[in-house]
Amino acid sequence: GAVVSQHPSRVICKSGTSVKIECRSLDFQATTMFWYRQFPKQSLMLMATSNEGSKATYEQGVEKDKFLINHASLTLSTLTVTSAHPEDSSFYICSARGIGTGVRAEAFFGQGTRLTVV
Amino acid sequence: AQKVTQAQTEISVVEKEDVTLDCVYETRDTTYYLFWYKQPPSGELVFLIRRNSFDEQNEISGRYSWNFQKSTSSFNFTITASQVVDSAVYFCALIPMDSSYKLIFGSGTRLLVRP
Repeated sequence: GAVVSQHPSRVICKSGTSVKIECRSLDFQATTMFWYRQFPKQSLMLMATSNEGSKATYEQGVEKDKFLINHASLTLSTLTVTSAHPEDSSFYICSARGIGTGVRAEAFFGQGTRLTVV
Repeated sequence: AQKVTQAQTEISVVEKEDVTLDCVYETRDTTYYLFWYKQPPSGELVFLIRRNSFDEQNEISGRYSWNFQKSTSSFNFTITASQVVDSAVYFCALIPMDSSYKLIFGSGTRLLVRP
């Protein structure tokens, strides 16, 4: 399957600082990328959907000013957690869809980023 | 409602036992896709299978098999002769046609295979 690379895999930051997580599609062009959040022993919750060149669509209850998403190119989307607090500590996973694959395609997932805010 | 239910929170089996993970879904769409993913302790999501709503054929891949029953809205996953390496969290997921390709995940089933 296609490869999606997410970086960093782990990050520890101080409360009040911002953290950027990158999601890259390595061997295909991703028109749509999704960002998920997973609390310990819980399922994946969709945070937002980003389409290349346009503003991200956030799910209900997700603060768009806190979780900034940029999808500037067909191979890169970034999630920035601004002014991070300990309650933002979580596992963040991105997934990507390619051009023309539509709903038939499985979502290719990144490896995930474990964020710990101290 | 669009929803995926995995009623089994945790399952523990002894190696070589067969185990079935249940998945029940709800959707008002006649066309949809169902998925199973494996999440090992390392955290990444591993794609296992995709099935569209028009294909009710059961599928077997090695020790894995899937039973899709539209009549009961179920898409169950069986691991035959389980191995310790099968220990992981398994997620069933749904893409209904009206959700802009967004995956709707079940809550996951944690499988522990003991030696």
